[in-house]
Amino acid sequence: DTGVSQNPRHKITKRGQNVTFRCDPISEHNRLYWYRQTLGQGPEFLTYFQNEAQLEKSRLLSDRFSAERPKGSFSTLEIQRTEQGDSAMYLCASSLEGGRNSPLHFGNGTRLTVT
Amino acid sequence: KNEVEQSPQNLTAQEGEFITINCSYSVGISALHWLQQHPGGGIVSLFMLSSGKKKHGRLIATINIQEKHSSLHITASHPRDSAVYICAVTNFGNEKLTFGTGTRLTIIP
Repeated sequence: DTGVSQNPRHKITKRGQNVTFRCDPISEHNRLYWYRQTLGQGPEFLTYFQNEAQLEKSRLLSDRFSAERPKGSFSTLEIQRTEQGDSAMYLCASSLEGGRNSPLHFGNGTRLTVT
Repeated sequence: KNEVEQSPQNLTAQEGEFITINCSYSVGISALHWLQQHPGGGIVSLFMLSSGKKKHGRLIATINIQEKHSSLHITASHPRDSAVYICAVTNFGNEKLTFGTGTRLTIIP
């Protein structure tokens, strides 16, 4: 197993365009998380899934953001009508289950630049 | 909301020095994580602990639940330890992590 995989690594887009990122978690992990990190800051929670169910969504996630995990395996995060403020590193993480006994495994992130 | 604070924000040390990074939080937690982030963004989980102390190689993590405080220690520091070290907590009944802003560590040969 190669760990959590995110694609693409980098994405440059023009303001107003839609973008979609993909995360492939570790295969047996049923929890999947999306975080966003801006320069010089710690990551901020966006949303998480238990299998295919989206259990929590941050207020940071405006209506332009949507995340899916249709078969409980990979997940996609789509941003519609991108704005310059969306420029950030988008991090995906997975764990076997929630709670104190399940460490998180992070992907290398997708760096989004909106021009 | 749990407030997570780290100190120092930046730390520069000579190779071989003993390093300590501190983390404090405001509300009781179910677990605390120490993470390492290298330039380029990838994050590696170093420790997850809810009590006591854990050791892995030259890294040691301790937590004091009563004082709501954790420390990460690096013995015999090496330039390859240079990275951002992030403390994050999981609250009871809530699966998401709350992160500190990180400590940027630079080890000079």
